[in-house]
Amino acid sequence: GENVEQHPSTLSVQEGDSAVIKCTYSDSASNYFPWYKQELGKGPQLIIDIRSNVGEKKDQRIAVTLNKTAKHFSLHITETQPEDSAVYFCAASMTGFQKLVFGTGTRLLVSP
Amino acid sequence: GAVVSQHPSWVICKSGTSVKIECRSLDFQATTMFWYRQFPKQSLMLMATSNEGSKATYEQGVEKDKFLINHASLTLSTLTVTSAHPEDSSFYICSARRLADQETQYFGPGTRLLVL
Repeated sequence: GENVEQHPSTLSVQEGDSAVIKCTYSDSASNYFPWYKQELGKGPQLIIDIRSNVGEKKDQRIAVTLNKTAKHFSLHITETQPEDSAVYFCAASMTGFQKLVFGTGTRLLVSP
Repeated sequence: GAVVSQHPSWVICKSGTSVKIECRSLDFQATTMFWYRQFPKQSLMLMATSNEGSKATYEQGVEKDKFLINHASLTLSTLTVTSAHPEDSSFYICSARRLADQETQYFGPGTRLLVL
């Protein structure tokens, strides 16, 4: 089955810096890769996703890149703000299969 | 759009009692809903997949008689923790997929269960 690894487990940056979180997946058949942000005591919120037919997707300060050959994808947050502080989860799935397989999460702390 | 609610947001119960958690898709129809469990500082663990009008599919190691799932309509799924014990204390989160999108999952705010 699919296995998703996520790094780093914690990431501390200064406000205004960029943050990068990386995930690798094992099953080359996976073709959908969402990223979720989870604040303390809340449910995960979808922030961006990418499908395997594109290599990059951007939404304001957030971007995701996908390297299908290497089977890894990354979340890039530019101009970080304290409100970006949260736990971020990557996930992978295949169209036609129901389950999302989640990474272990990255705790991002943005210091003012 | 794509709002998912859960009720209650938190519950405290005595050991041996049953607790029901509701998951509703407020502005879309969801043929499939998922139930997850999350321990502190850990990732989400899928418990079961719930399809409207059919029996839920449970993940390996999840007791179906203990965690009863009902998905009676396109906007509502319920999880009942039967005969709850302290080890069932956790954060339970549901998610839902739109009819027209077989990939994206939208999550509810979660329900914190504490069993005394």
